[in-house]
Amino acid sequence: DAKTTQPTSMDCAEGRAANLPCNHSTISGNEYVYWYRQIHSQGPQYIIHGLKNNETNEMASLIITEDRKSSTLILPHATLRDTAVYYCIVRALNAGNMLTFGGGTRLMVKP
Amino acid sequence: GAVVSQHPSWVICKSGTSVKIECRSLDFQATTMFWYRQFPKQSLMLMATSNEGSKATYEQGVEKDKFLINHASLTLSTLTVTSAHPEDSSFYICSARDLRGEYGYTFGSGTRLTVV
Repeated sequence: DAKTTQPTSMDCAEGRAANLPCNHSTISGNEYVYWYRQIHSQGPQYIIHGLKNNETNEMASLIITEDRKSSTLILPHATLRDTAVYYCIVRALNAGNMLTFGGGTRLMVKP
Repeated sequence: GAVVSQHPSWVICKSGTSVKIECRSLDFQATTMFWYRQFPKQSLMLMATSNEGSKATYEQGVEKDKFLINHASLTLSTLTVTSAHPEDSSFYICSARDLRGEYGYTFGSGTRLTVV
């Protein structure tokens, strides 16, 4: 899996958009960008994934740069419940092995 | 969506005893499940890959005789921490891959193990 780099921590005001960046400059052509989050004392939760087009679902939007070397996860209206560690993972779609977690970004949503 | 149930959510045990943690895929079959361990303020670290009907594959540094893994059916994998010691206290998380969907990996809610 390609290595990813994320800021260690970020703060966001409640109700504002949270933009979480991820660098993956060594990403291969067949590798997707996945985002998971882990709320304290819970298992990781899938958020979104994408290959090269921007993606949006009920939880978030994923913006991938044209060269695919970086991406941004956007939580449009952050709430206190979005406080969590967010992990950006890059891997091939049909890779059968485990997910490898880096350090992630600890997002703190403040009132 | 795919659901993975992990039980118990938390357990306290005495040093020297064994603890079994169960991981079930509720609405899909999983030939492969993964066991992670997470210490406070650290990321998830893979311990082993559980394969249905065959032996588990352990990561380097993980004692296979201490962390027994059984994957006897397509919906159940168990992790038994044998002769537990305080340093085994951690958050244990299982994961399974649902091959029906693109995002695939679903995680259990985790088990907080405290060895006293």
